[in-house]
Amino acid sequence: QKEVEQDPGPLSVPEGAIVSLNCTYSNSAFQYFMWYRQYSRKGPELLMYTYSSGNKEDGRFTAQVDKSSKYISLFIRDSQPSDSATYLCAMSDYIQGAQKLVFGQGTRLTINP
Amino acid sequence: GAVVSQHPSRVICKSGTSVKIECRSLDFQATTMFWYRQFPKQSLMLMATSNEGSKATYEQGVEKDKFLINHASLTLSTLTVTSAHPEDSSFYICSALLAGVGTQYFGPGTRLLVL
Repeated sequence: QKEVEQDPGPLSVPEGAIVSLNCTYSNSAFQYFMWYRQYSRKGPELLMYTYSSGNKEDGRFTAQVDKSSKYISLFIRDSQPSDSATYLCAMSDYIQGAQKLVFGQGTRLTINP
Repeated sequence: GAVVSQHPSRVICKSGTSVKIECRSLDFQATTMFWYRQFPKQSLMLMATSNEGSKATYEQGVEKDKFLINHASLTLSTLTVTSAHPEDSSFYICSALLAGVGTQYFGPGTRLLVL
């Protein structure tokens, strides 16, 4: 079993739809949770960063962390064609020294005009 | 803020040659940088952790003599692929750790093609 599981998709939705992306994990020590967006042939771009459980909102994006269920989500409201990319969840268990991120496989998302 | 650059963005080389890739944190100091490798339609695979002023820590299965890492300053880490072979062709991405926040900011990646 992988430490972080993410449905690779592909996921295709019409413009304006609400998109839900999810990851589950097995390591209860994870406390820092991130979502990255990666366009084709580009490096990942940090979208959302959350510490411990709870919700965080930034514009059209909302990140949710449920540590009791070991489940994190990213919601995209009013999705746009420019949101078409691969979305990677990532998590780590500490921030000092040799902090490492454990990534999900990434979900390929296409927003159709 | 938190911008990371990589150079070159793409490189084509002959088999047997060495290639150096630079990773720079442009607006913050990074005592820790990371090097990843990514194959098409796959997630990022951590190769090594680069710490300023000390030796890099390599992940299991990554040859340290093949992938030389130097982190000589707080804003620059380099990855040298020595005696490159076609199987080394890949997308190499670096990231820099923003201390105190705990997040990694990624460079745009370097596409290496070994002929």
